[in-house]
Amino acid sequence: DIVMTQSPDSLAVSLGERATINCKSSQSVLYNSNKKNYLAWYQQKPGQPPKLLIYWASTRESGVPDRFSGSGSGTDFTLTISSLQAEDVAVYYCQQYYNTPRWTFGQGTKVEIK
Amino acid sequence: EVQLVESGGGLVQPGGSLRLSCAGSGFTFSTYWMTWVRQAPGKGLEWVANLNQDGSEKYYVDSVKGRFTISRDNAKNSVYLQMDSLRAEDTAVYYCARINVAARPWGQGTLVTVSS
Repeated sequence: DIVMTQSPDSLAVSLGERATINCKSSQSVLYNSNKKNYLAWYQQKPGQPPKLLIYWASTRESGVPDRFSGSGSGTDFTLTISSLQAEDVAVYYCQQYYNTPRWTFGQGTKVEIK
Repeated sequence: EVQLVESGGGLVQPGGSLRLSCAGSGFTFSTYWMTWVRQAPGKGLEWVANLNQDGSEKYYVDSVKGRFTISRDNAKNSVYLQMDSLRAEDTAVYYCARINVAARPWGQGTLVTVSS
């Protein structure tokens, strides 16, 4: 199985400041034939189901604010919130679908306001 | 609007069974893979099972193989999770989601509690 490891487990950021979450996979999730990274990011706010933010490592889901961006390739990925807003308080998860249909998620990163 | 609604959760004793249902609307249900993902209280997300469009391909996380069965009824726009031989560690909110590259959207979830 592909193991997904996120860092840090939690972080506190001031409003308007940048938040950066890292995700490392135990093997590459880059599919060489199409040069796509099979990596998604989800946001889960308290009491709500997860919501897809980013797929193919860097493609923003429709309706997701452009302060959210995804980057990286191979085994190392980053989710960046460029200017943290109060409504961004949530737990964020990365997920690999390279090994589709067997998925794995990272353990989650909790983002709070400092 | 694409919508998924889970039902069937509840309290069950260890060793018991439960069948979860997930009804989809707002999209052509029969053309999508579907998934179940669970979240134990205060914990992260764990993928449970995936199912292809006609129900012929089923995949499970190792911890539920032989105990859980995913199925679907495209005429009813529904996907199911039959859970047998339940254990305390199966206690979680169970979410269904449509697979379109990744999981989107997700239902609100249904809580399964396994306890005596």
